[in-house]
Amino acid sequence: AQTVTQSQPEMSVQEAETVTLSCTYDTSESDYYLFWYKQPPSRQMILVIRQEAYKQQNATENRFSVNFQKAAKSFSLKISDSQLGDAAMYFCAYQYNTNAGKSTFGDGTTLTVKP
Amino acid sequence: NAGVTQTPKFQVLKTGQSMTLQCAQDMNHEYMSWYRQDPGMGLRLIHYSVGAGITDQGEVPNGYNVSRSTTEDFPLRLLSAAPSQTSVYFCASRTGLGRDGYTFGSGTRLTVV
Repeated sequence: AQTVTQSQPEMSVQEAETVTLSCTYDTSESDYYLFWYKQPPSRQMILVIRQEAYKQQNATENRFSVNFQKAAKSFSLKISDSQLGDAAMYFCAYQYNTNAGKSTFGDGTTLTVKP
Repeated sequence: NAGVTQTPKFQVLKTGQSMTLQCAQDMNHEYMSWYRQDPGMGLRLIHYSVGAGITDQGEVPNGYNVSRSTTEDFPLRLLSAAPSQTSVYFCASRTGLGRDGYTFGSGTRLTVV
């Protein structure tokens, strides 16, 4: 079974600074996708960024980027120029390409942004 | 566009009561799932469906039933509520493409007393 581990239950960052959230996963598959989701205090889960395992290039979405190390099974999220609105719980998720419908989530990292 | 709509947003049940959490999506997504979120435990999969008439169990299915009679709707039934089922429940849907992430509903906070 696939597992996803987020080793940092809580992180904090100063506004305008950069922070990196860690995620590791375990799988024997080669064709899969990785995601980061954001859950602000409103509770609404929002997809932040996606990485395709067969692509070596790291995904980027505005201030959000990932560092994908396939051999090490590591998938970290970097938030640049942190804003107060980035404060949320962040979940890393693994999704096997043909595993019907299921995603495996990490336990989440709560990010605090200090003004 | 409504996306994924969950009702109710909050619910208090007494032990032994039954109820149904409603979930509807208007994006014609094939896949739908129910997750529960407990503090420090991330999201755990309860049941999922890959299409109308097809459902399967996730990692924590005991005490819950689902059905998928239409593409749009995926209700979750609590058969006999227990305090251990106190949690926040999320319904989510996505296309059949593995590259597509989930669209989540806004969640239901359930308390069983």
